[in-house]
Amino acid sequence: AQKVTQAQTEISVVEKEDVTLDCVYETRDTTYYLFWYKQPPSGELVFLIRRNSFDEQNEISGRYSWNFQKSTSSFNFTITASQVVDSAVYFCALSEANAGGTSYGKLTFGQGTILTVHP
Amino acid sequence: GAVVSQHPSWVICKSGTSVKIECRSLDFQATTMFWYRQFPKQSLMLMATSNEGSKATYEQGVEKDKFLINHASLTLSTLTVTSAHPEDSSFYICSARDRKIFNTEAFFGQGTRLTVV
Repeated sequence: AQKVTQAQTEISVVEKEDVTLDCVYETRDTTYYLFWYKQPPSGELVFLIRRNSFDEQNEISGRYSWNFQKSTSSFNFTITASQVVDSAVYFCALSEANAGGTSYGKLTFGQGTILTVHP
Repeated sequence: GAVVSQHPSWVICKSGTSVKIECRSLDFQATTMFWYRQFPKQSLMLMATSNEGSKATYEQGVEKDKFLINHASLTLSTLTVTSAHPEDSSFYICSARDRKIFNTEAFFGQGTRLTVV
């Protein structure tokens, strides 16, 4: 069975600091997908990124970057120059896929990391 | 595109009554939808997988007679919480897969906050 662990329950930083949210996963599948979602106080899930298990290239999108290390089963998320609007709960999630690479669609979520950015 | 609409956004009901939550894919067809539950300050846990035209598949520990799921069309799945009790108070959120596009993220609705008093 798959499992996602976000060891950091809460992180508090001051605006403009960089912050990294850790995510470690377990799965027996060779093909899988990893995700990060942001959940603001309103509750909706905001999709941030999806990465398949065969693509270990790091990705940068504006102030966000992701580091996928298959060797350590980690998919960490860094926010550079954090802002107050980044305050939210962040979830890492895993979706297993079939041999053809089609995701099953259902997600296993980590426990979430509450990020608070102070002005 | 890829919009999933969930209704209502929040609902308060009396203990013992039933509540229906709708999940609609607005601009795509979804043969599969997923229902998750999130208790306060906790993670999201998959409750069940809803398949169009067939019975839902429930995760271990989820009572299928209490959480009735109906997926009668390619754009609508409903979750009915029957005989709701205060311990059922939670955030319920659905997601849907576009049947025509593989290997994409699941699209989430806005969620429904249920409070049972």
